[in-house]
Amino acid sequence: GQNIDQPTEMTATEGAIVQINCTYQTSGFNGLFWYQQHAGEAPTFLSYNVLDGLEEKGRFSSFLSRSKGYSYLLLKELQMKDSASYLCAVREKSGGYQKVTFGTGTKLQVIP
Amino acid sequence: ETGVTQTPRHLVMGMTNKKSLKCEQHLGHNAMYWYKQSAKKPLELMFVYSLEERVENNSVPSRFSPECPNSSHLFLHLHTLQPEDSALYLCASSQVLGSAPGGVSVHEQYFGPGTRLTVT
Repeated sequence: GQNIDQPTEMTATEGAIVQINCTYQTSGFNGLFWYQQHAGEAPTFLSYNVLDGLEEKGRFSSFLSRSKGYSYLLLKELQMKDSASYLCAVREKSGGYQKVTFGTGTKLQVIP
Repeated sequence: ETGVTQTPRHLVMGMTNKKSLKCEQHLGHNAMYWYKQSAKKPLELMFVYSLEERVENNSVPSRFSPECPNSSHLFLHLHTLQPEDSALYLCASSQVLGSAPGGVSVHEQYFGPGTRLTVT
């Protein structure tokens, strides 16, 4: 099993930068995903990290440190449409299968 | 539109009813998943089918019964549910690499819009 921690809620201003942290504890780590979920909608994939370092994708970047069990999602030039929940999900090897476990998500509110 | 569809989108059922949720993926993936999402709780994995064989059953009560007739379709049969089963039920699919069921999943999951279930 594993433990995934994220802040419950965050607020940031339009045009600013926000960093959403995720810490995890697992014995068979094999990758970390970030998903975005708007209220009433399905989660959609944002990023994937399996090696240490920063992955950049437009306004969104995700960082991973495997030794620290730590990841963050960085959102730049925030827009109102970025108001959503951001889910951290860790993949681990479980027997012969690699399962994905989700955190509770961080609800981000972008204000004018 | 993610390529994963779910029906119905909303369902209200009594505790003695029997109903089924349907999921269909048009992405050519070979693994499908059922998740339960309740307020203020993380997505809970219920079932995983990889190459049409069930490889994960996360201690889900027997009142939930999955069926995967082929790699594109997934059902969740419901019977004698409890009010605490009210939640959003999400279906997802992904590509699984490997030669046997239960192989490594290296790709992201694509989620359907979910079925909002209310048990009265």
